[in-house]
Amino acid sequence: DAKTTQPPSMDCAEGRAANLPCNHSTISGNEYVYWYRQIHSQGPQYIIHGLKNNETNEMASLIITEDRKSSTLILPHATLRDTAVYYCIVSEENSGGSNYKLTFGKGTLLTVNP
Amino acid sequence: NAGVTQTPKFRILKIGQSMTLQCTQDMNHNYMYWYRQDPGMGLKLIYYSVGAGITDKGEVPNGYNVSRSTTEDFPLRLELAAPSQTSVYFCASSYAISDRRRQETQYFGPGTRLLVL
Repeated sequence: DAKTTQPPSMDCAEGRAANLPCNHSTISGNEYVYWYRQIHSQGPQYIIHGLKNNETNEMASLIITEDRKSSTLILPHATLRDTAVYYCIVSEENSGGSNYKLTFGKGTLLTVNP
Repeated sequence: NAGVTQTPKFRILKIGQSMTLQCTQDMNHNYMYWYRQDPGMGLKLIYYSVGAGITDKGEVPNGYNVSRSTTEDFPLRLELAAPSQTSVYFCASSYAISDRRRQETQYFGPGTRLLVL
C-alpha cells in the first residue's frame, strides 16, 4: 500500500505557481520524500527529494512540514509542458536498512491551462 | 549517454505466446527494476536487481522471469502471455550504495506497450 495521500487532480493557470500537496502521516524518521512526474505516455521523471529540510533545484521546490507528516511540491511558474501526473513517494527500507524501492500510488494529475 | 533504453516499443501477443522485453542502461548503475503500469494506475514493481547475478521479486512477479548476467542488461521474460499482462512496462535503473539509507534517483526508460489478445 502507498504510504502517501494526494488529491487525484488539480488545475493551474500557465505562469502561476502550482502547489501540489502530499500527506505522509506515517513517515518514519529516516525515510525520504521523493517526487516524480510522468508526462503522458512517457516514463516517470525524477523531480526532487528531501528528508526534513526544504529543498530547491532547477525544476521545483519541496516544502516539508516540521513534523514531516506532509509536504508540498512547488512549481514556481507552471508551463503547459508541466501537465503531468505527479507522484509523491516515501522511500521504503528493507530489512537490511538500505532504501531502493519506490512505491507509486495514483498521484495527482496536474493540468496547466493557458 | 543514451540512459535507459527499452525494446520493443510496442508488441501484440497472442495468449500463450512468450516474449522477452529488453532493457539496457549505459550509466553503470548497479540497481535495475521492472515496473508495470495498468491504465489509470500507478506503477507496480515486478522484479528488481541489486547487481549482476542477483535478482529478487517485487510486488507482482507472477508470470514473469528476469535475469541479470551483466550490469547493463536486465531482460524481462513472459513465458505464457495472458490478457492480464496487457500493460505498459517500464524499466528503470539507479546507483545505490547498500549502507546508505537513501534512495538514489531512478532513471526510467520510455516503456514497452504490450497487448495480449
